[in-house]
Amino acid sequence: KQEVTQIPAALSVPEGENLVLNCSFTDSAIYNLQWFRQDPGKGLTSLLLIQSSQREQTSGRLNASLDKSSGRSTLYIAASQPGDSATYLCAVNSGNTPLVFGKGTRLSVIA
Amino acid sequence: GAVVSQHPSWVICKSGTSVKIECRSLDFQATTMFWYRQFPKQSLMLMATSNEGSKATYEQGVEKDKFLINHASLTLSTLTVTSAHPEDSSFYICSVINLGGLAGGVNEQFFGPGTRLTVL
Repeated sequence: KQEVTQIPAALSVPEGENLVLNCSFTDSAIYNLQWFRQDPGKGLTSLLLIQSSQREQTSGRLNASLDKSSGRSTLYIAASQPGDSATYLCAVNSGNTPLVFGKGTRLSVIA
Repeated sequence: GAVVSQHPSWVICKSGTSVKIECRSLDFQATTMFWYRQFPKQSLMLMATSNEGSKATYEQGVEKDKFLINHASLTLSTLTVTSAHPEDSSFYICSVINLGGLAGGVNEQFFGPGTRLTVL
C-alpha cells in the first residue's frame, strides 16, 4: 500500500528565504506526482504535476523535482513571501487510481 | 483542466439528519469521481470511488450504508451522509480524473472546492 510522508510537518521562515519541502513515497511505481496548496478552510490548488518520466517542473518561483527510483520529490520555493503561507500537500497516483496524499507541510512566511 | 463544483460549500445540520452533497464536473464527462474526507489538520483520506452507472467502491472502514454515493450521470455524483452525527463533521472534497478525454495530463485529478459539514 502506497504511503506518502512529508517533512517537515511545519516550517516557519522569514520573508525572502528560499526553502525546500520534502515528500517521500514507499512504492516507486507511480504514474505522476502532484503538489497542491491548501489555504485554511479552503480546497486544493494544484501547483505542479510531474509525470513519472519527468525529472522536474517549474512554475514561477516554484520548482518541483522527482526522483522516482528513490521515492522522493522536493518542492523548492524561491524568495518566499507572506502570501506563500499555506499547507502544501504532496500526492501520488499509480495510474487511473486515486491520489494518495501526504499529511502536508504547514508553511508560515513571516514578514 | 476540468472545472469541478460542489454544492453546498458549507452546511450545518442537527444530529440524526441526512445531508446531500453534490459534485459536478462542469466541462468534462467524468466516468470516475473520487470522494475524500479531511478532518482538521489532517490530510485528505479517500472515502470511495464513484463510477458512473455502477456501484461505488468504498475504502476499508467507510460505511457504505452511511455514506451513500450516486453517480447517475457523467457530470454529477452525490454523497449523502445519512443520520449524521458530530463525528461526521469534516471537509468533504470530490475530484474527477482525466482518463484521456481531456487535453492535458492523463490521470490528472481535478478537485472541487470542498464542502464543510458541521453536525451539531
